[in-house]
Amino acid sequence: SQKIEQNSEALNIQEGKTATLTCNYTNYSPAYLQWYRQDPGRGPVFLLLIRENEKEKRKERLKVTFDTTLKQSLFHITASQPADSATYLCAFTGGGNKLTFGTGTQLKVEL
Amino acid sequence: GAVVSQHPSWVICKSGTSVKIECRSLDFQATTMFWYRQFPKQSLMLMATSNEGSKATYEQGVEKDKFLINHASLTLSTLTVTSAHPEDSSFYICSARGTGRKIQETQYFGPGTRLLVL
Repeated sequence: SQKIEQNSEALNIQEGKTATLTCNYTNYSPAYLQWYRQDPGRGPVFLLLIRENEKEKRKERLKVTFDTTLKQSLFHITASQPADSATYLCAFTGGGNKLTFGTGTQLKVEL
Repeated sequence: GAVVSQHPSWVICKSGTSVKIECRSLDFQATTMFWYRQFPKQSLMLMATSNEGSKATYEQGVEKDKFLINHASLTLSTLTVTSAHPEDSSFYICSARGTGRKIQETQYFGPGTRLLVL
């Protein structure tokens, strides 16, 4: 079955550093991948979408890459800030326009 | 753009009562809306998909008579938890997918509704 894996362990980094989160997928070849941010007790917030023919997409301090050979997407936050602390979800749209989510990676940016 | 609201944001009810949760797309027309459930420290679990004017499609294991979904217009979907029991306590989140090339590629989520059944 279609599956997305994200680092289940929390990622702690120091303010100002670049955070890199990994998303690997199996048994599917999505046309595009999406990244969401979720804060405790809130719904996910859409951040970025990257298509299979795009190697990289940027939005302010965020950068996403998509490697269809490795079946992997990397999500980078440069110059990280404590306000970036949240859980980040990777997802792709599969059959029936249903989103398949990874389990999410919890990021904590420390002062 | 692409804002989705949910109401109420939290609700406490007695066991056996029914609870209705509204999901609205505020600045776009949502041809499809989705309802999810999320337990603590777990990922979102899709419950059902609804298209405007059609019956909802439920995921395996989700009781359609217990979780009634209505998608009466292109901007409103409702989820009614009927005869709620404590095990129905959870965080319910809706999402909407609209028309137009870019907006239909992804789902935009509401802020969620926390349900506590006593």
